Amino acid sequence: DQQVKQNSPSLSVQEGRISILNCDYTNSMFDYFLWYKKYPAEGPTFLISISSIKDKNEDGRFTVFLNKSAKHLSLHIVPSQPGDSAVYFCAASGWGIYNQGGKLIFGQGTELSVKP
Amino acid sequence: DVKVTQSSRYLVKRTGEKVFLECVQDMDHENMFWYRQDPGLGLRLIYFSYDVKMKEKGDIPEGYSVSREKKERFSLILESASTNQTSMYLCASSFQGGTNTDTQYFGPGTRLTVL
Repeated sequence: DQQVKQNSPSLSVQEGRISILNCDYTNSMFDYFLWYKKYPAEGPTFLISISSIKDKNEDGRFTVFLNKSAKHLSLHIVPSQPGDSAVYFCAASGWGIYNQGGKLIFGQGTELSVKP
Repeated sequence: DVKVTQSSRYLVKRTGEKVFLECVQDMDHENMFWYRQDPGLGLRLIYFSYDVKMKEKGDIPEGYSVSREKKERFSLILESASTNQTSMYLCASSFQGGTNTDTQYFGPGTRLTVL
């Protein structure tokens, strides 16, 4: 059962435009959400996170939106740059779900291609 | 900066061989994790550990074992490698803060090919 889903395997965007990556989850106990970026042959790097007490978090060109009622989060990148081309993973966690904290559930990833 | 290192970037082994993947972190994190990444499947958790000598099965533990003898080191062992274990293996660590601080920091990955 896939608790965190990224339904778009790929996304292509023109440089300078907005990239919107989407993620849906099913478990209402999740209360912390993260986005990771991964280049080929490298490990994922943490990008931005949001707690369930917020509906928006911004960091430079990156903004994450959380819609708890829809169990949906999205990552906006504005403006998109060719260096943003990578695979983006969303992840979720919930302290009350597991006996020990720290376990993340990852989506399948979306490959973003930003064309010059 | 958090640093997570993995013993090899690329590894080629033969079917039936015993394979050791080592991971070391330098931030005194309590939690450590092993994932494998396959196209279209995302990151799948193999095992994790929240303390020295403690281990918990993840979603796909079959065919793998782990060892955590020291806080900074977490080893993944393939007892008898098989071709379906060809994958990218990723190690991660995180601080056990007790609040929503579950950010995991990843190593560069080991691309394992089993022939």
